[in-house]
This record gives sequence, structure tokens and C-alpha cells, in this order.
Amino acid sequence: RKEVEQDPGPFNVPEGATVAFNCTYSNSASQSFFWYRQDCRKEPKLLMSVYSSGNEDGRFTAQLNRASQYISLLIRDSKLSDSATYLCVVSHSGAGSYQLTFGKGTKLSVIP
Amino acid sequence: DAGVTQSPTHLIKTRGQHVTLRCSPISGHKSVSWYQQVLGQGPQFIFQYYEKEERGRGNFPDRFSARQFPNYSSELNVNALLLGDSALYLCASSRMDEQFFGPGTRLTVL
Repeated sequence: RKEVEQDPGPFNVPEGATVAFNCTYSNSASQSFFWYRQDCRKEPKLLMSVYSSGNEDGRFTAQLNRASQYISLLIRDSKLSDSATYLCVVSHSGAGSYQLTFGKGTKLSVIP
Repeated sequence: DAGVTQSPTHLIKTRGQHVTLRCSPISGHKSVSWYQQVLGQGPQFIFQYYEKEERGRGNFPDRFSARQFPNYSSELNVNALLLGDSALYLCASSRMDEQFFGPGTRLTVL
């Protein structure tokens, strides 16, 4: 079982649609949780951190359920510029190290 | 302030050769991590260095090695290249928990 699993995608949605991405992680010791966005042939960029209380940043809402080891991202009122691959990421640290474990990513295409 | 920089941007090698990739972290960041991203997959952790010491290593063969210099820049070395080493190699620097990625080096092994 992969450490971080995401919806396989791709998602093709019209402008203005609401789209939800789901992610599960296997390591219960994971400490921090993130969504990264990666444009084609570019580096990943942090979209938002994810907290158990849920957090919102404009049209983006992220949720974390530690008991279910489940992370979600909701994008409302999709824009063409939201087209990208969305990566679910968890962090582990220990013995002085800190590393990120990425899911495979879910590609989103927003269509005019 | 400049972000994370990596060189070269693209590289073509043949099987059996070795390669050195370079990374300069954001000013003030003492930790550098390396990731490999194969096409269609998420990045996979290779190494983390902090204050010139290796702090973490992912599940990669000994052909992969790295080091960090006194100015916190870093090199990733890969020996005896295989076709499967073709990937985007990403460097990330961090001061606390947030990692900032460089644009990557795209390595093609023929």
C-alpha cells in the first residue's frame, strides 16, 4: 500500500464548478499535511497547509481527519488558472530528519 | 530575495555515465533536501542535509550520493546511470517546516 494515495484523476471540469480531491495516508505518525500545486514541467509549490480544524483560503478549503487518515481539498468556482496537478503531501520527522512524502497527484483541467 | 536555484536545467547522459546536480538554497536556509520525480509520479525523497550533515536518506541505491557545503549549497551525484534514472530532480530548502522547491534539473538518460 502506498504511503499517500490520491484520486487517480484526471478531473475535467467546467469553469465555475466545484471540485473535490481526496487523499489517504498510511503512516499514523505523520505530523504535518499539505496540498501542493504543480504546473506542467514546473516545481511543486505550496498551496496550503491542512489542519484538523479545517482551513480555508479564498476558494480553497482543506480538511484533515486524523482518525480516518484522510485529507481533502475543495475548490469552489473553478478558474481556468486552477488547471494543474494537485499533490497531497504528508511530513515525517525523527532523528533530526524531516521529509515530505508525496502522493502521485491528481490532474485538474478546467475547461472554458 | 532569490529563490532556490538549480543547475543545470536540462541534462542528457548515456547509461553508465555519472552526473552531478547542483543546488543553492534560499539565503538563510540551512537545510537542503533532494527529491526525484519520475514522469507521472509525485516527488520521492532522496536525501536531506542540515548543517553539512546527512539527516535523512530515502530508499535509493548507493549510486546516489550527496553533500552539502559550508555555504549550504548542495550537490547530488548519481553514478552508473540507468535509463530509470531519467527524471526531474528537485532540490528544496527549508528553515523551519516549509520546504521551497527549486525549478529542478531534468535528466534524460539514453
